[in-house]
Amino acid sequence: KNQVEQSPQSLIILEGKNCTLQCNYTVSPFSNLRWYKQDTGRGPVSLTIMTFSENTKSNGRYTATLDADTKQSSLHITASQLSDSASYICVVGDNAGGTSYGKLTFGQGTILTVHP
Amino acid sequence: NAGVTQTPKFRILKIGQSMTLQCAQDMNHNYMYWYRQDPGMGLKLIYYSVGAGITDKGEVPNGYNVSRSTTEDFPLRLELAAPSQTSVYFCATVDRGTYEQYFGPGTRLTVT
Repeated sequence: KNQVEQSPQSLIILEGKNCTLQCNYTVSPFSNLRWYKQDTGRGPVSLTIMTFSENTKSNGRYTATLDADTKQSSLHITASQLSDSASYICVVGDNAGGTSYGKLTFGQGTILTVHP
Repeated sequence: NAGVTQTPKFRILKIGQSMTLQCAQDMNHNYMYWYRQDPGMGLKLIYYSVGAGITDKGEVPNGYNVSRSTTEDFPLRLELAAPSQTSVYFCATVDRGTYEQYFGPGTRLTVT
């Protein structure tokens, strides 16, 4: 069964500090890995998407890394801001039978709280 | 360009009632999805569609039905609502060119 596990479950940091969120997955065959940000009461918003051949991708202060050999990914947030307070979700797509668009497995999310 | 819209935003149903959650998109994306999100859990795929007239079951389809008569609309039907269907429902699309996924704002449903 495809699974995506994220750690930590929650994290509190001070404004201006950096942090790293972790994602381990057992999804096969692997197609792509995404990181989403979900503000309270809103739908998720895509931050980065990486395919098998990519091992790092940045979007402003967000940098995602992917190690397809160990099936691990991380999301690094630099110089955190209050607006970074949200749930960060790791999502992995498989490519089973060419249905990559239909088979996304979601992690449970890491809740990040940034305090002033 | 409204993106993905969902109605209603909130709804309370009694056990056994039925309702339809509406989802519409104006991005001309063929791929559309319905997810449910329970507190502290990851999103679970209910149904998805790869184009008008084509739908398929996801991970948790029991108690739900969908139709896709047009590219723009992808309604989700709940028949005989049960407390276990209390959740937040998200509709989403995928752009086949960029792999990007776009979510609607969600519908918060309570069944009592």
